[in-house]
Amino acid sequence: KAGVTQTPRYLIKTRGQQVTLSCSPISGHRSVSWYQQTPGQGLQFLFEYFSETQRNKGNFPGRFSGRQFSNSRSEMNVSTLELGDSALYLCASTLPSQESRQYFGPGTRLTVL
Amino acid sequence: QQQVKQSPQSLIVQKGGISIINCAYENTAFDYFPWYQQFPGKGPALLIAIRPDVSEKKEGRFTISFNKSAKQFSLHIMDSQPGDSATYFCAASTTGTASKLTFGTGTRLQVTL
Repeated sequence: KAGVTQTPRYLIKTRGQQVTLSCSPISGHRSVSWYQQTPGQGLQFLFEYFSETQRNKGNFPGRFSGRQFSNSRSEMNVSTLELGDSALYLCASTLPSQESRQYFGPGTRLTVL
Repeated sequence: QQQVKQSPQSLIVQKGGISIINCAYENTAFDYFPWYQQFPGKGPALLIAIRPDVSEKKEGRFTISFNKSAKQFSLHIMDSQPGDSATYFCAASTTGTASKLTFGTGTRLQVTL
């Protein structure tokens, strides 16, 4: 079974731009969570989507948003990029029956210049 | 009350030795405590997890010890191998928001020959 895939793997943007990252969960997984990983703040929860609805949300500004499609694929969007948004963005998926067991993708490395 | 504190920040262990990483939490509502292993360029991978109804869980060379009264839990890696060299994260979550993990800051483990 294929793992969680994230595209693109690397991205370079400039301040003020917006970016969209994509995540395809493992087949059969309906929950998708997003995390931001930085050297300073570590791994921080952004939000979780289940059946196309945001179910949980972390403490990030409204510039960070996401959505989930009917096939469980998810996208996250960051508008008006800031230098501090440079990070590894990780997506994780889970089975409905094993919500605590999260399978992470390799991440998208976003650099904001 | 959402913090999970992890120590040490880095650890060097000789091959065959025992690696011990400690975590402490504040939120008594946490009821699921996983450990993740992350190699460079990869997303975190679930290693082992425990719920507070048991004090210890062992899977192969990996053991979690859990002390509910002290709000602490630790990961022990027995017979540490060079292939165990990675960054380890403890995490915690609550029932109902199992996909919203609160992570520790990570421990970079290096196992030397």
